[in-house]
Amino acid sequence: EVQLVESGGGLVQPGGSLRLSCAASGFTFSDHYMDWVRQAPGKGLEWVGRIRDKRSTYTTEYAASVNGRFIISRDDSKNSLYLQMNSLKSEDTAVYYCARDRWGEGVFDDWGQGTLVTVSS
Amino acid sequence: AIQMTQSPSSLSASVGDRVTITCRASQGIRNALDWYQQKPGKAPNLLIYAASSLQSGVPSRFSGSGSGTDFSLTISSLQPEDFASYYCLQHDNYPYTFGQGTNLEIK
Repeated sequence: EVQLVESGGGLVQPGGSLRLSCAASGFTFSDHYMDWVRQAPGKGLEWVGRIRDKRSTYTTEYAASVNGRFIISRDDSKNSLYLQMNSLKSEDTAVYYCARDRWGEGVFDDWGQGTLVTVSS
Repeated sequence: AIQMTQSPSSLSASVGDRVTITCRASQGIRNALDWYQQKPGKAPNLLIYAASSLQSGVPSRFSGSGSGTDFSLTISSLQPEDFASYYCLQHDNYPYTFGQGTNLEIK
């Protein structure tokens, strides 16, 4: 059974940093592109970014709203995905989900339960 | 960025009704469009991929159609467990973009 478990959320002040983790199990993590998607309270879904697999040299893509502030990385030896969030703003307050891309084409067939990040003073 | 215009934003319907939700892309996206269902406090769940392919385990009352710029999700006969929010997602170009969502409520 595929499992994705996010952690690392919490309260952080504006301008601060936070690192989210996503622990994967039940599938060959290294074979899949992985993405982050977020959802502000009471709002819709927003794609944050992705990291490709080793064959694609771990290249990344980001939404304009986070480009230059957020960094996605992965450690295939630990079956883990990360989201380093810097220079946080109040508008980054959201539940952050990690998602598995089934074929590398943007089809997210498994999701974690999400972790809440609150940016507030 | 490609904009996805989803409508309606909310919809009231009854069990047994047939409902259709639409998404329009600001430019052609071939069939790179998926539909997700989300229930309160839960992660999204893939329903339809590549515009019209039914995800394994999803009931056949869900169907998708469209290509290019206009897409639709149809639920043929609403069941109580279908009352939720629905989102389209385009993955033809970066950045990937979701529609604004449709909140499907019980009438």
